[in-house]
Amino acid sequence: GAVVSQHPSRVICKSGTSVKIECRSLDFQATTMFWYRQFPKQSLMLMATSNEGSKATYEQGVEKDKFLINHASLTLSTLTVTSAHPEDSSFYICSARGGTNEKLFFGSGTQLSVL
Amino acid sequence: DAKTTQPTSMDCAEGRAANLPCNHSTISGNEYVYWYRQIHSQGPQYIIHGLKNNETNEMASLIITEDRKSSTLILPHATLRDTAVYYCILRWNNAGNMLTFGGGTRLMVKP
Repeated sequence: GAVVSQHPSRVICKSGTSVKIECRSLDFQATTMFWYRQFPKQSLMLMATSNEGSKATYEQGVEKDKFLINHASLTLSTLTVTSAHPEDSSFYICSARGGTNEKLFFGSGTQLSVL
Repeated sequence: DAKTTQPTSMDCAEGRAANLPCNHSTISGNEYVYWYRQIHSQGPQYIIHGLKNNETNEMASLIITEDRKSSTLILPHATLRDTAVYYCILRWNNAGNMLTFGGGTRLMVKP
């Protein structure tokens, strides 16, 4: 099946710093990528939809200036958590639509811990 | 997308079939039933999907009732590595459509 690579898998940072998470589709072109956030023992919550070459669409309650999304190519989308605070600590997961237009494939997730 | 209802948790003995139910009484004609699972601290993994016919692949079988108001995911011979949260999701199959996750069923496979 299609492979989505997410990096890093785990990051610990100080409060106030920015963190960039990369999501790559390794064997297909992903015109659309999605970014999710998951808090402990909760389900995945969609943060934003990222389309190649255009601005991301954010879900209600997600600050676009805090969670910067760039989808500059058909195989790479990045999520930058700017001025991270402890409440941003969470599991961040990306997904990409595969070539069949049916399945969505997910990255392995990034555990962000802000001290 | 219409809502799904799943039991919060289930247990299954190793080697036995695991049958995970999902209710989706408000499903519309163009919505597919998708199943994903999430093993602890990993991203969700695609299992199977279907519209109205029963489906089978190397991982599981999907049984959809004739009225499409419910479905069952069957893992024929559960192993300890099948312990995960299983999500039943309804989705329009058009391009760019995301998945909306509910609470899922936490399946515990026991030796």
